[in-house]
Amino acid sequence: DSGVTQTPKHLITATGQRVTLRCSPRSGDLSVYWYQQSLDQGLQFLIQYYNGEERAKGNILERFSAQQFPDLHSELNLSSLELGDSALYFCASSPRRGNEQYFGPGTRLTVT
Amino acid sequence: SQQGEEDPQALSIQEGENATMNCSYKTSINNLQWYRQNSGRGLVHLILIRSNEREKHSGRLRVTLDTSKKSSSLLITASRAADTASYFCATLETSYDKVIFGPGTSLSVIP
Repeated sequence: DSGVTQTPKHLITATGQRVTLRCSPRSGDLSVYWYQQSLDQGLQFLIQYYNGEERAKGNILERFSAQQFPDLHSELNLSSLELGDSALYFCASSPRRGNEQYFGPGTRLTVT
Repeated sequence: SQQGEEDPQALSIQEGENATMNCSYKTSINNLQWYRQNSGRGLVHLILIRSNEREKHSGRLRVTLDTSKKSSSLLITASRAADTASYFCATLETSYDKVIFGPGTSLSVIP
């Protein structure tokens, strides 16, 4: 158990819908990262937050947005969902930027 | 484009043998990390090597880093069936902005 929690574990929704994925980092970790993992694209870095502020952006679509709250939990919002958004979405946390990351169990999103 | 590229893409060995995976990257890095992922589960951090280090050990794991060649290798000695997983290298660019993961090596250890 990494200490990072993600909810929900599974999510099935229809195209065009909007969903919110939630992540609680390890106690004391200030950095939160979001990743998307699909069979054809591998593990793609989406976005990073550090102590509430956005620090780095990767291959995140404009339909996706995220935020980190004062209590350090983070949410990833996915809107206007397409079939191609079906993937595993991981959240990871680390105590400082650049250190080892601790991954949550992931949320498996299926868009039908 | 990918920062880290693992090689080989897939590796199958007998239990007890050593497994070696390689990672190449393109830009200057601050550190390089190796992670393991069991099917469909979250990644688990294995080892971190900084750019000023050349070799690091952790249990049955040995990691080397050659910054002149922009490459790293992960050696798992005396492999076990439980080592069956995908292994990813991840590089932290010197700008500290991003950690980029490679596509991974799928390791199968046959009992």
